[in-house]
Amino acid sequence: EPEVTQTPSHQVTQMGQEVILRCVPISNHLYFYWYRQILGQKVEFLVSFYNNEISEKSEIFDDQFSVERPDGSNFTLKIRSTKLEDSAMYFCASTERTATNEKLFFGSGTQLSVL
Amino acid sequence: AQTVTQSQPEMSVQEAETVTLSCTYDTSENNYYLFWYKQPPSRQMILVIRQEAYKQQNATENRFSVNFQKAAKSFSLKISDSQLGDTAMYFCAFMKPGNQFYFGTGTSLTVIP
Repeated sequence: EPEVTQTPSHQVTQMGQEVILRCVPISNHLYFYWYRQILGQKVEFLVSFYNNEISEKSEIFDDQFSVERPDGSNFTLKIRSTKLEDSAMYFCASTERTATNEKLFFGSGTQLSVL
Repeated sequence: AQTVTQSQPEMSVQEAETVTLSCTYDTSENNYYLFWYKQPPSRQMILVIRQEAYKQQNATENRFSVNFQKAAKSFSLKISDSQLGDTAMYFCAFMKPGNQFYFGTGTSLTVIP
């Protein structure tokens, strides 16, 4: 079965540094998402992306965050200047979003630790 | 705004027994989708089962089934013949077509040998 691929699986960074989390969505999917999950808490929506632009974003997704689909296959999340509270598991997800196939497929996540 | 509530933070069940996880949601929409996702210790999010709101028939996937009560806005997950590998966090999720997913706070299920 096709799957969403995320790299790296773990990322450790110093506070204030920039990080880029990478995702390769399923090839025929058109809608892409980033979610995050702070340890022990629920999964929170960050941003959705369609047709090369952000379609929706949450309050969490402030000016420190940006997304990009640079080459038609990768979908990246950049955090410009990381804070301690950005430590979380970050999930990329994609969906085909046809009328009969509303399923969100998640990647295995990138665990970001900000020191 | 859509909200999803899981009122059972932790549950346990004996191996081979049946357990039901509760989920309620709040929405003014008529057409939407509901999901249960499983998150094992590896923290990967795995789709367990999906229900379209316009379908009256409850979805089933092998040992997993749902009890979807649209009027009550309730969407519970029943796991039959529980297995040790079912031990995980289970998240209920709501999605309105063309919109983001909303997740509940999760239920931690432990299957006891």
